[in-house]
Amino acid sequence: QVQLQESGPGLVKPSGTLSLTCTVSGDSVSSDSYYWTWIRQSPGKGLEWIGYIYFSGSTNYNPSLESRVTISVDTSKNQFSLNLSSVTAADTAVYYCARVSRYYDLDSWGQGTLVTVSS
Amino acid sequence: EIVLTQSPGTLSLSPGERATLSCRASQSVISRYVAWYQQKPSQAPRLLIYGASSRATGIPDRFSGSGSGTDFTLTISRLEPEDFAVYYCQHYATSFTFGPGTKVEIK
Repeated sequence: QVQLQESGPGLVKPSGTLSLTCTVSGDSVSSDSYYWTWIRQSPGKGLEWIGYIYFSGSTNYNPSLESRVTISVDTSKNQFSLNLSSVTAADTAVYYCARVSRYYDLDSWGQGTLVTVSS
Repeated sequence: EIVLTQSPGTLSLSPGERATLSCRASQSVISRYVAWYQQKPSQAPRLLIYGASSRATGIPDRFSGSGSGTDFTLTISRLEPEDFAVYYCQHYATSFTFGPGTKVEIK
């Protein structure tokens, strides 16, 4: 059974870069059957898709965040990562990593990690 | 960009009752790429339905999905105490879109 676990700083300063890593177990990020994605949820709000990556390194980002987002994959560590630059308080959210199935649904999720943007 | 609208915003029902949740797309979408999720407080969302009508692994058969074109429905045939939560629909075209959610609360 696949498991995903987010890790990274819980506090980031305004104008800084938010960096998170998702460690995958029970499956391989090198699998050609899945994409790997980041989703966020601001406090008390709905879900917002950030972007996804394929094992080959090809990516697709939310147009509203594209200028600030980079998602990368490290197959040797079975991890994928999120970098979000020039953060503001509006980027404060719980960040989830998830696996995207062939039907473009998110069939496995990490537990989420709260990132607060504050000085 | 496809926009998903969910109704009602809040559904107040009693255990044992039937819940019918609606998800409407701003334009016709491919049913194969419509999914539903359940989220409880302080938990990650959980996939319930994929491909508009297929139950995910381990999901009880009281949950069912239907619909096509612009209108999709999640039905919970008889609410159990653990079903009170927020439900989101989701679609993928060239990007992922989520609806704003329907909260199913205890009446």
